[in-house]
Amino acid sequence: AQSVTQLDSHVSVSEGTPVLLRCNYSSSYSPSLFWYVQHPNKGLQLLLKYTSAATLVKGINGFEAEFKKSETSFHLTKPSAHMSDAAEYFCVVSDRGTYKYIFGTGTRLKVLA
Amino acid sequence: NAGVTQTPKFQVLKTGQSMTLQCAQDMNHNSMYWYRQDPGMGLRLIYYSASEGTTDKGEVPNGYNVSRLNKREFSLRLESAAPSQTSVYFCASSALGNTEAFFGQGTRLTVV
Repeated sequence: AQSVTQLDSHVSVSEGTPVLLRCNYSSSYSPSLFWYVQHPNKGLQLLLKYTSAATLVKGINGFEAEFKKSETSFHLTKPSAHMSDAAEYFCVVSDRGTYKYIFGTGTRLKVLA
Repeated sequence: NAGVTQTPKFQVLKTGQSMTLQCAQDMNHNSMYWYRQDPGMGLRLIYYSASEGTTDKGEVPNGYNVSRLNKREFSLRLESAAPSQTSVYFCASSALGNTEAFFGQGTRLTVV
């Protein structure tokens, strides 16, 4: 069965410092993995996706994530946080052929001035 | 480019009332989904439709029914609303299960 664990419910960083949001997954088959961002009272926007091509995936707004099969991880990083990055971030797994997207419980990122 | 459109955006119901949330997508996607979002719990899958003519239960289907009306439209019905169904509901669609899902803007439902 698929599952996703986001290891931190809240992360605080100072503006201009690196961001690391951690995600571990469990999947029976070859997974597709996604990171979505949700700004307050808004819908969900895709940041990046891994679907079995390059293991280092680049997304929008300077975010990237690395798929590590041996560690079953898909952590999200950004070299330098911006105030506009403050939002909730969701790691999502989908097994090929199941048609279901399973969400982690989310990590709320706070960026301090 | 509308993408995924949900109606209504806000709704207040009394306990025991019924209502239908509407969702339509204009991307010719095969698969459609209904999720609910509650604080600290992420998004949980209520029902999904892998293709036109099929629907399946997700993680939290109790108290809900769905209809895949055609390829574009997927509705969610609450027959007898309960306060535990107070939540934000999101509809989504995707071309295939391993490509990204596209989400509507959400419906904020309050049951009093």
